[in-house]
Amino acid sequence: DVKVTQSSRYLVKRTGEKVFLECVQDMDHENMFWYRQDPGLGLRLIYFSYDVKMKEKGDIPEGYSVSREKKERFSLILESASTNQTSMYLCASSSSGVRTGELFFGEGSRLTVL
Amino acid sequence: AQTVTQSQPEMSVQEAETVTLSCTYDTSESNYYLFWYKQPPSRQMILVIRQEAYKQQNATENRFSVNFQKAAKSFSLKISDSQLGDTAMYFCAFTATQGGSEKLVFGKGTKLTVNP
Repeated sequence: DVKVTQSSRYLVKRTGEKVFLECVQDMDHENMFWYRQDPGLGLRLIYFSYDVKMKEKGDIPEGYSVSREKKERFSLILESASTNQTSMYLCASSSSGVRTGELFFGEGSRLTVL
Repeated sequence: AQTVTQSQPEMSVQEAETVTLSCTYDTSESNYYLFWYKQPPSRQMILVIRQEAYKQQNATENRFSVNFQKAAKSFSLKISDSQLGDTAMYFCAFTATQGGSEKLVFGKGTKLTVNP
């Protein structure tokens, strides 16, 4: 089974802190994604990557950056956390383009910024 | 704009009954894929069913089936013989092209509760 592991299930940070959310997949998938999930807003794409060292902005990239130095790892970085970034963050991976390959999701990282 | 609308924020159904979740979408593309994902409480999101827009036949996966109406841009999910384990958030999604890359556009979700 594909396993997508997000390093932290729950985090509490203070405004202005730098936050790293780590995601690792074990199935050699080319594609990795970071979504933000908020009640009443569904899932919104922050960033995605189709290859190592490659990244593309999604719908809401402001305030975030990403890093993909190795194929299996895709990190989401909040350079200076703000309270409006309190949310559930979901990482996903897929072996092919989104239209044919299903996305495999991690369990999510719930971030609270105080 | 490429959007997905799930008009039912919450629904409930009795165990063993049938329930239909609604989804409409907006796209100018002619070739795309549609999905229903399920997110059980405190668990990972998983794919329930996938439909290719160029196929007229509705997809079916065991107790889950879709009613795909391409002209109406409608993609509803029917769950037959509902089970307690079907309690979850359900998200409708479709593929959209942005800047040469493809991504999934998700709806806001429908919270389904199956009552014993």
